[in-house]
Amino acid sequence: DAKTTQPPSMDCAEGRAANLPCNHSTISGNEYVYWYRQIHSQGPQYIIHGLKNNETNEMASLIITEDRKSSTLILPHATLRDTAVYYCIVRVVYGGSQGNLIFGKGTKLSVKP
Amino acid sequence: DAGITQSPRYKITETGRQVTLMCHQTWSHSYMFWYRQDLGHGLRLIYYSAAADITDKGEVPDGYVVSRSKTENFPLTLESATRSQTSVYFCASSEGSGRNEQFFGPGTRLTVL
Repeated sequence: DAKTTQPPSMDCAEGRAANLPCNHSTISGNEYVYWYRQIHSQGPQYIIHGLKNNETNEMASLIITEDRKSSTLILPHATLRDTAVYYCIVRVVYGGSQGNLIFGKGTKLSVKP
Repeated sequence: DAGITQSPRYKITETGRQVTLMCHQTWSHSYMFWYRQDLGHGLRLIYYSAAADITDKGEVPDGYVVSRSKTENFPLTLESATRSQTSVYFCASSEGSGRNEQFFGPGTRLTVL
């Protein structure tokens, strides 16, 4: 059963911020929120992860709601190269099979000129 | 070259043949993973390995065999290929299976006729 829910597709204008939502209403206290993306025909690429605080790196920002039931990945200035499928994943932090990534169907983001 | 590589990148084989897909990483990451990606299913974990000589099943292990005699290599063998194993196969590695990000290879596109 899916642990995250994402819209199947979104469009964004080049240069604008892309805000990708994710619902994870059954997230437990020891689960992090991870975001990966997959550009056509390539392997998935790690973007960012967080537990409960907002996080920012050189690629994106991650905003997690206070109740942790949803999050938003923000690409501040989307470019054509950001066109990809974006996966929101929740996972536990310790090892074993429960720490493995479980990919859903993601959101296909199309950045348009 | 540094990073994670997969070979071959493309492979066509026939039903019943044995096929081995290779994965090599230069980071000395302890964990390595094999995924398959099919239309409509996203990425699904086949097998993973926590260290040399330690492997465990993922979501879809049937029909596959793995070994890990050296930290840097994690080959995936299809002992008797079937048409349902036609897919794109991705290898990944990480320092641990907890919070650490996974780094993915470029993938192997396998067609079983």
